[in-house]
Amino acid sequence: EIVMTQSPATLSVSPGERATLSCRASQSVSSNLAWYQQKPGQTPRLLIYGASTRATGIPATFTGSGSGTEFTLTISSLQSEDFAVYYCQQYNNWPLTFGQGTKVEIK
Amino acid sequence: QVQLVESGGGAVQPGRSLRLSCAASGFTFTKYAMHWVRQAPGKGLEWVAVISSDESSRNYGDSVKGRFSISRDNSKNTLFLQMNSLRAEETAVYYCARGGELSWNYFEYWGQGALVTVSS
Repeated sequence: EIVMTQSPATLSVSPGERATLSCRASQSVSSNLAWYQQKPGQTPRLLIYGASTRATGIPATFTGSGSGTEFTLTISSLQSEDFAVYYCQQYNNWPLTFGQGTKVEIK
Repeated sequence: QVQLVESGGGAVQPGRSLRLSCAASGFTFTKYAMHWVRQAPGKGLEWVAVISSDESSRNYGDSVKGRFSISRDNSKNTLFLQMNSLRAEETAVYYCARGGELSWNYFEYWGQGALVTVSS
């Protein structure tokens, strides 16, 4: 099983600032990496797939990068609606696995 | 628009069975792989199972292999999850999710979830 490790566990950011979230895979997943956003009490929402392709309707403030074992999600100029938990997920190997999540909170 | 509506959740004793359903609409159901993903209270996401668009292929997470079974009825645009020998630690919200356009195996759309509580 591929283990996905996200860091940091919690990120405190002021509105308007940039947030950088990391995701590391225990072995290469090529570019088969997705990012999801989950707000409290809500369903997860796909942000990024293929490591860097934004899903339908996702604003350009969300940028995914990386390949192999190291991935980054950057949120430029955080808005109030961006404070949430973010998960990465690999889909290169079975079983499909998620990181444990990074909570982005208001500083 | 894409809609996924889960049903069948509820309270069940350890060791018993439960069957979840997911009614899909707003897209061509027969074109997409479908998944179940779960989330225990206050915890992260765990992938449970996937079924291919034509039912020819299924895959399961290690923790549910041999106890859970995923199926679909393409004539009724409905996905199922049969859960047997349930354990207390499987208390979670179970989400139905549609596979992606370019790959089966990311989750492009999600339902609102069905809560399953396993407790004596």
